Amino acid sequence: NAGVTQTPKFQVLKTGQSMTLQCAQDMNHEYMSWYRQDPGMGLRLIHYSVGAGITDQGEVPNGYNVSRSTTEDFPLRLLSAAPSQTSVYFCASSPTQGAADTQYFGPGTRLTVL
Amino acid sequence: AQSVTQLDSHVSVSEGTPVLLRCNYSSSYSPSLFWYVQHPNKGLQLLLKYTSAATLVKGINGFEAEFKKSETSFHLTKPSAHMSDAAEYFCVVSDDTGNQFYFGTGTSLTVIP
Repeated sequence: NAGVTQTPKFQVLKTGQSMTLQCAQDMNHEYMSWYRQDPGMGLRLIHYSVGAGITDQGEVPNGYNVSRSTTEDFPLRLLSAAPSQTSVYFCASSPTQGAADTQYFGPGTRLTVL
Repeated sequence: AQSVTQLDSHVSVSEGTPVLLRCNYSSSYSPSLFWYVQHPNKGLQLLLKYTSAATLVKGINGFEAEFKKSETSFHLTKPSAHMSDAAEYFCVVSDDTGNQFYFGTGTSLTVIP
């Protein structure tokens, strides 16, 4: 199993550009989530999904969209990038939803918005 | 609402000495609690978790944590630090649905040879 994969590893955007961060898992996990990690602030939940077709907002959802059309994929879309979205983004998955289960994290995407 | 406070942003220990990383939580219900470790430029890995079973939880690499409801604490300990333990450690609490997770701000552990 490849586990949780994220692409790209690094990305530089200009203010106002849009892009999609990709996340995929091959473990047939129900639950997937996106976090951003900023210095001194730990990780903060952006959006999560408890299964295909079901998504919900986390702690910091503004400026981001998600969809979950398949169990495997959970892309994160930045509609109009802002410098405040400069961060490291982590995708995670866990076997079951609603069970406070172990999360398996991807290697992260480092995004810089100029 | 639930939250986590990691009491030390940075801890330094000598190799072979005990490690104590402190975490206090706030929750209106019986929470699930986790410790994750992040090595430089890597993703996060679960060290251990508490989900209302035994209050003393053993994890990987010799780490353990004790859930103390009366003190609302979940401190992480290890009897003897190793150089490979140098990393960032995060204490995490779940919400009552088990679908949202709240991270502490992290504790950076330095191990001095």
